[in-house]
Amino acid sequence: GAGVSQTPSNKVTEKGKYVELRCDPISGHTALYWYRQSLGQGPEFLIYFQGTGAADDSGLPNDRFFAVRPEGSVSTLKIQRTERGDSAVYLCASSFQPADTQYFGPGTRLTVL
Amino acid sequence: SQQGEEDPQALSIQEGENATMNCSYKTSINNLQWYRQNSGRGLVHLILIRSNEREKHSGRLRVTLDTSKKSSSLLITASRAADTASYFCATALGSNYKLTFGKGTLLTVNP
Repeated sequence: GAGVSQTPSNKVTEKGKYVELRCDPISGHTALYWYRQSLGQGPEFLIYFQGTGAADDSGLPNDRFFAVRPEGSVSTLKIQRTERGDSAVYLCASSFQPADTQYFGPGTRLTVL
Repeated sequence: SQQGEEDPQALSIQEGENATMNCSYKTSINNLQWYRQNSGRGLVHLILIRSNEREKHSGRLRVTLDTSKKSSSLLITASRAADTASYFCATALGSNYKLTFGKGTLLTVNP
């Protein structure tokens, strides 16, 4: 079946704008994760969903960041009042159960001008 | 903060040679996974080794885990130019298995 998909693949926005990044996990995967990767670094955890609920949002940098997964499948990461420091690749991953292999999507490259 | 640290940061070898990358971590883990990334996008899962396992193989890949030393190694045998990529180790912590990545090893395989 299809892997994890993310849209858009690239997003350029201006400082202060609002953006939404979408993730479609592998069908049947209950666990969904968002990570952020800055240039030259490894991915850093943002938030984890088990089903519809955000079970761990300890990695969200501040209250400008919010994510939802209303039906337990597709998830949207929302960033308000974007700042230049938010520029990064945002990666989504899913797994059948939390203890299983996490499969990553291709990421969304966000550039804040 | 990043729990895993890969060593070396960069490695350049000739095609056909073996490549060994190491990963050290700080706290107890549930499992450790190795990923490959080309051109800063698209993390590809290579292998998962659980905390009660010591060695796993997958094709040309061999991963070892030493929980007493909190370290893991990834061996790629008979390397190919297509193996050129960044390699990351990621440790799964806690009850939600969120991954903590190192900064990666940049492997260059010269034809």
